[in-house]
Amino acid sequence: GAVVSQHPSWVICKSGTSVKIECRSLDFQATTMFWYRQFPKQSLMLMATSNEGSKATYEQGVEKDKFLINHASLTLSTLTVTSAHPEDSSFYICSASGTESASSYNSPLHFGNGTRLTVT
Amino acid sequence: AQSVTQPDIHITVSEGASLELRCNYSYGATPYLFWYVQSPGQGLQLLLKYFSGDTLVQGIKGFEAEFKRSQSSFNLRKPSVHWSDAAEYFCAVERGDDKIIFGKGTRLHILP
Repeated sequence: GAVVSQHPSWVICKSGTSVKIECRSLDFQATTMFWYRQFPKQSLMLMATSNEGSKATYEQGVEKDKFLINHASLTLSTLTVTSAHPEDSSFYICSASGTESASSYNSPLHFGNGTRLTVT
Repeated sequence: AQSVTQPDIHITVSEGASLELRCNYSYGATPYLFWYVQSPGQGLQLLLKYFSGDTLVQGIKGFEAEFKRSQSSFNLRKPSVHWSDAAEYFCAVERGDDKIIFGKGTRLHILP
C-alpha cells in the first residue's frame, strides 16, 4: 500500500533556531500534502495544505511566516518551523493525497508517522 | 461548518468484550467519513471509510462502522477487543477539497 515517510521522527532544538521536517510519498505521486499539528492528548489540527508547485494554503490562525511549507515535487513536501519557541513544541504529522482525491473510493489520505518537536 | 464530535474522551473495556465508539458529525451534504487509529507517538492508520453505498462498512482489524444519516452518527464497533486495540481513535469527516477534519479522539483502554 501507499506509504508516506516523515523525517525526522523526533527532533530537539534550541529556541530561536529553525527546524525542517520532510514528508515524502514513497510509491505514489502526492499532488496534495497536508500538515497537521497535534498537542498532547488532543486532536489533529490542520495547519496548511500544499499543492505541488504552488503556494501553500494556511488555515486561519496559522502563521505562514513561521511555518514555511514547500512542495517542490510530487513526492516531497517540507515544513520549516522558523525561529522556534518552546510553545512550538508539538507533534507534527503530514498526510498525502495522490492523483485520486480522498473523495475517491479507492484512495484515502496516507499519513506519515509524525515528528515530535521539542524546543528548549 | 463541518464538525465531528466524539463524546467519549476515554473508554475502558475488558479484553474480549464488545466495543462501540461514538461519533457524530455535522455536515450539510452526504459526508465522507473516516475512522483512524493512532498508537502512542505514531501516525494515523485508516481503519475504514464511508463514501456512499452500504451504510455498514467493514474495516481492518475486525472493526466496522455504521453510517446513520437520521442520527448523524458513524459509530465504530468491534465484537471482541484485543489488548493490542488499546490506542487513540479518531473519527473524521472530509470537509471538502480533500481536507479532513478530526474529532478530539477517544482513548481506548483495555482491561486484562
